[in-house]
Amino acid sequence: TQLLEQSPQFLSIQEGENLTVYCNSSSVFSSLQWYRQEPGEGPVLLVTVVTGGEVKKLKRLTFQFGDARKDSSLHITAAQPGDTGLYLCAGFNGGYNKLIFGAGTRLAVHP
Amino acid sequence: DTGVSQDPRHKITKRGQNVTFRCDPISEHNRLYWYRQTLGQGPEFLTYFQNEAQLEKSRLLSDRFSAERPKGSFSTLEIQRTEQGDSAMYLCASSHGQGGGNTIYFGEGSWLTVV
Repeated sequence: TQLLEQSPQFLSIQEGENLTVYCNSSSVFSSLQWYRQEPGEGPVLLVTVVTGGEVKKLKRLTFQFGDARKDSSLHITAAQPGDTGLYLCAGFNGGYNKLIFGAGTRLAVHP
Repeated sequence: DTGVSQDPRHKITKRGQNVTFRCDPISEHNRLYWYRQTLGQGPEFLTYFQNEAQLEKSRLLSDRFSAERPKGSFSTLEIQRTEQGDSAMYLCASSHGQGGGNTIYFGEGSWLTVV
């Protein structure tokens, strides 16, 4: 069974701080996706990482895929209150039929 | 708006009643997925359709749950004899083709509260 574990579960920081959240698995994934979800809304795709060691940047967000394609990290520089939300990592099962999600990291950025 | 549309957005029902949720996927997306999300958890896969064919169902989808996609366009998810444990957000998603390189787009979800 492919499982994705995210840490930390909760993160509460002040505006301007940097943070990193992690997504780990004992299984190899062909790709991992990061979503952001706001309360009462569906998840919105931020990025897909495909190649082991790949680094992708989206403004102040930096995503990295582990060399062995079993883990990924999301680093936010100078966090802003607008970054508040639930950050989910997800990967496709072997048959590419469904996304498997981690439990998410709930981030709160205070002004 | 041409995204994935779900209706109703919120539903409060009494235990034992039946409820039905509707999902309209992005036009021409042949894959449609249903997920369930409870507080503090990530979405859990329930089932998916390739056009009108339901190709996989999770063990989470008990006999009280049924999903259909009769014409390969919109889909419905019905829950019969609701229980308090069914309280969750039900998410619909769609994609063009198989996963992997094809992005899955999620709707805004349908919140179910069983009292």
